[in-house]
Amino acid sequence: DGGITQSPKYLFRKEGQNVTLSCEQNLNHDAMYWYRQDPGQGLRLIYYSQIVNDFQKGDIAEGYSVSREKKESFPLTVTSAQKNPTAFYLCASSIKDGDLYEQYFGPGTRLTVT
Amino acid sequence: GNSVTQMEGPVTLSEEAFLTINCTYTATGYPSLFWYVQYPGEGLQLLLKATKADDKGSNKGFEATYRKETTSFHLEKGSVQVSDSAVYFCALRLYGSSNTGKLIFGQGTTLQVKP
Repeated sequence: DGGITQSPKYLFRKEGQNVTLSCEQNLNHDAMYWYRQDPGQGLRLIYYSQIVNDFQKGDIAEGYSVSREKKESFPLTVTSAQKNPTAFYLCASSIKDGDLYEQYFGPGTRLTVT
Repeated sequence: GNSVTQMEGPVTLSEEAFLTINCTYTATGYPSLFWYVQYPGEGLQLLLKATKADDKGSNKGFEATYRKETTSFHLEKGSVQVSDSAVYFCALRLYGSSNTGKLIFGQGTTLQVKP
């Protein structure tokens, strides 16, 4: 079955630690995205990647970093510089980046930092 | 700027009631409009979409019509079920070669359907 996998589903970290969230897709999609969801708010774009070895900042990239070394993988690192890291993080992918292509979402990772 | 505004939730309905969730948008270009649904503990699923004015998107009994004159894309369903309980997000995406596939989301509206 093709799809997007995010692991783990729940993640707990102490303040001051970096943490990496996994996102893997076997849909052969070029484009991948990371969104953050906070209670009572819509999703906001953190980073996106149109193709392997390339990525761009979204609206709220500060305190986050990404890599795109393989087509199927787009890990997100939440660094200690992120002031409010506790949130629900969603990864998405599409065949290509652009207005014509539907985005498919993974099940999400809920990160709690204390 | 570009933005999406949804009605405040939660919306609580009895089974078989009529549903409307309001969505209005502001966009500098020509957006495509989407409704996504998020069931508890899950990621988002595309529910329906419309790519130009007067288009009607429909799926699973839900409908929404792209109204350019009122910049709206209200979600409706004639008879809701308990299984429709979820969070619903309205979103837009802009056309144009300078725009990415970035989606701009509203804040979400929680729907609770009681038996």
